Amino acid sequence: QQQVKQSPQSLIVQKGGISIINCAYENTAFDYFPWYQQFPGKGPALLIAIRPDVSEKKEGRFTISFNKSAKQFSLHIMDSQPGDSATYFCAASKYGGATNKLIFGTGTLLAVQP
Amino acid sequence: DTAVSQTPKYLVTQMGNDKSIKCEQNLGHDTMYWYKQDSKKFLKIMFSYNNKELIINETVPNRFSPKSPDKAHLNLHINSLELGDSAVYFCASSQFAGRDSPLHFGNGTRLTVT
Repeated sequence: QQQVKQSPQSLIVQKGGISIINCAYENTAFDYFPWYQQFPGKGPALLIAIRPDVSEKKEGRFTISFNKSAKQFSLHIMDSQPGDSATYFCAASKYGGATNKLIFGTGTLLAVQP
Repeated sequence: DTAVSQTPKYLVTQMGNDKSIKCEQNLGHDTMYWYKQDSKKFLKIMFSYNNKELIINETVPNRFSPKSPDKAHLNLHINSLELGDSAVYFCASSQFAGRDSPLHFGNGTRLTVT
């Protein structure tokens, strides 16, 4: 059972355009939603994260939009650059306990064309 | 200075063999993890240790056995390797086990079982 569904599987964007990746979750106990960025041959690295008490979080060109009622969140990359070409993973985890058990989405391969 | 380092980077072996992957972090973090990334890039948690204590043990075959000799090290031993074990294995660490403590991943060990 895939608890975090991510789309699209792949995305091609022109330089300077906006990249949008969407995720949906089922478990209402989730309350922490990070995005990770992975370059080829490297491990994922935290990009930006949000908690459900806010509807939007922005860091530089990267913005997370969060819709609690729809159980959806998305990553927007403004002014996309070729250096942004990577695989992006959304993830979710829930509060409680002494564990950080991240459930990852299936990933989106982003290619930004120059 | 590599924060989370894994060895080896590549591991090619035959079915039935036993192999180990080593992981070390120099971030002073309390919590370490093993994740498996399959051929479709899906990331799934396998184990997590907090201060050398096992806190997450997903439904992983008994052939996989993690060992944490100290807070800075988490090794993964795999017995009787099978074709389906072929994947990239990522070690990660976080400052503490809480849900919003960012994961710092190593660069992975690509395991190929022939």
